Amino acid sequence: DSGVTQTPKHLITATGQRVTLRCSPRSGDLSVYWYQQSLDQGLQFLIQYYNGEERAKGNILERFSAQQFPDLHSELNLSSLELGDSALYFCASSARRGGETQYFGPGTRLLVL
Amino acid sequence: QKEVEQDPGPLSVPEGAIVSLNCTYSNSAFQYFMWYRQYSRKGPELLMYTYSSGNKEDGRFTAQVDKSSKYISLFIRDSQPSDSATYLCAMSENSNYQLIWGAGTKLIIKP
Repeated sequence: DSGVTQTPKHLITATGQRVTLRCSPRSGDLSVYWYQQSLDQGLQFLIQYYNGEERAKGNILERFSAQQFPDLHSELNLSSLELGDSALYFCASSARRGGETQYFGPGTRLLVL
Repeated sequence: QKEVEQDPGPLSVPEGAIVSLNCTYSNSAFQYFMWYRQYSRKGPELLMYTYSSGNKEDGRFTAQVDKSSKYISLFIRDSQPSDSATYLCAMSENSNYQLIWGAGTKLIIKP
């Protein structure tokens, strides 16, 4: 158990809808990262937050947004969902700003029908 | 050219064999090197972490970094079917920079 929690575990929704994924980092970790992994694909970095502030952006679509709250949990919002958004979404956390070990949560499996 | 190259496999070997997994990279400033293991549809978990060059051993796993060749390796001795997973390498310049990920190598250990 990495100490990173993600909810929900599974999500089934329809095209055009909006969903929110939630992540709680390990105790004491200040950075949260979001990744997308489509079937048999590598990890695609989406975005990083450090202590409440956006620190780095990857290949995140404009339809997606995230935030990190004062208690350091984070939410990833996915809107106007398309079939191609079906994927595993992982959250990871690390102690500081980046570059060091990241600890991953179990992921949220999103299926868009 | 990607910053980090990793053969996606699959790599299939018999149980008990020594496995060698590799990544090459282009950024000579990378100093932190990690290997993660990911079982199907699960979150990646850290296996090995090394700083700069040299070897690091942990049980059946050995991580090797050759900065002069910009090449890192993960060796698995006495491979077991439970080692079947995707292995991802990741690296960064320092604690202020992002981790750069390889695409992952799928490993299959045949009983």
